[in-house]
Amino acid sequence: DAGITQSPRHKVTETGTPVTLRCHQTENHRYMYWYRQDPGHGLRLIHYSYGVKDTDKGEVSDGYSVSRSKTEDFLLTLESATSSQTSVYFCAIRPTGTSGYGYTFGSGTRLTVV
Amino acid sequence: TQLLEQSPQFLSIQEGENLTVYCNSSSVFSSLQWYRQEPGEGPVLLVTVVTGGEVKKLKRLTFQFGDARKDSSLHITAAQPGDTGLYLCAGAFGNEKLTFGTGTRLTIIP
Repeated sequence: DAGITQSPRHKVTETGTPVTLRCHQTENHRYMYWYRQDPGHGLRLIHYSYGVKDTDKGEVSDGYSVSRSKTEDFLLTLESATSSQTSVYFCAIRPTGTSGYGYTFGSGTRLTVV
Repeated sequence: TQLLEQSPQFLSIQEGENLTVYCNSSSVFSSLQWYRQEPGEGPVLLVTVVTGGEVKKLKRLTFQFGDARKDSSLHITAAQPGDTGLYLCAGAFGNEKLTFGTGTRLTIIP
């Protein structure tokens, strides 16, 4: 009902392979974010987007790239997966406006790199 | 990088008790949000506070924003098992990105 879906929900992949996670929204929100969540670290920002083809790095962007060719889709690619990228990945959206607007999160993708 | 510290990291109390969790930073927030996250799901927004000294109530939950906008607290009255979850604070520092704390994992024992 939140208008944001992530796919896949679970994925196991081998070290060195590329992986793409998808975030899809139906809210027409400008801002989209990718976070990873790890025990002891909380949620850390990987990349974010403030419009179609407008993206910027977060605090843990090394080894990740993103693309946003349409308002509704924000893709996160692990160029060559490593075991340190085993994590739960969350996408979030936010409407245009001041920073006081809350984020709406997807249900997450649990990625295991073996 | 701005840091948010949450305390306690873990809290386990009996149903019916009251509790308070804290969120602190050395930097001034432009706004602060509280989220609750349940296993296997993404965080869900509970409240946004913007003004220093602001107090917001959501049923049994009371949120307070410090006067200097560097800290916040969440107080739960008469905790219930349904309050169990991971509580996250998140601060905005004048831009479009949120910085999250590491969370307080709350367990309410029936």
